[in-house]
Amino acid sequence: GAVVSQHPSWVICKSGTSVKIECRSLDFQATTMFWYRQFPKQSLMLMATSNEGSKATYEQGVEKDKFLINHASLTLSTLTVTSAHPEDSSFYICSASRPGTSGRAITGELFFGEGSRLTVL
Amino acid sequence: GENVEQHPSTLSVQEGDSAVIKCTYSDSASNYFPWYKQELGKRPQLIIDIRSNVGEKKDQRIAVTLNKTAKHFSLHITETQPEDSAVYFCAASKGYNFNKFYFGSGTKLNVKP
Repeated sequence: GAVVSQHPSWVICKSGTSVKIECRSLDFQATTMFWYRQFPKQSLMLMATSNEGSKATYEQGVEKDKFLINHASLTLSTLTVTSAHPEDSSFYICSASRPGTSGRAITGELFFGEGSRLTVL
Repeated sequence: GENVEQHPSTLSVQEGDSAVIKCTYSDSASNYFPWYKQELGKRPQLIIDIRSNVGEKKDQRIAVTLNKTAKHFSLHITETQPEDSAVYFCAASKGYNFNKFYFGSGTKLNVKP
């Protein structure tokens, strides 16, 4: 299957600092990527849709100034958690669909990165 | 937006028994329903999916059924094995064109040897 890689896999930071998480599609070009947040023993909550070359679209209740998303190339999307606080501690995971030659997703299957565990002290 | 509900939240079965996990969705325009398996600390992996033009799909010990009228779909695992123990998520999406996926709350399946 398609490969999506995420970095770092875990990060610990002090309250008030900013943290950047990278999501890369390694063997395909991803015009659209999705960022999810997962609390322990809970589901994947969609945070935002990252669109290459344009602004991300955020789900209701997600602070766009808090979670900055940049999708500057067809293979890289970044999520920056600004002025992180302990309540931002979570598992952040990105995903992408692999497009076919027509530009549409081949199967609709969503491929996930490994996830990034953020701990804010 | 879409609302996906999943039951049960935990499920314990004896090895060899069957397991059934059920999901409902709210948006009648959703037409793609994947199931993901997530082991502890790892990324979700697709195990089976179904589209709205199909009522049932089977892949070895795993099957999924879809009732569009009632807006619910189910995952069936037969002859369960300890390695099936994981968290399973259902999801709903509006199909091919990079549309958003909305996930159910997850079911922790424990298969006792």
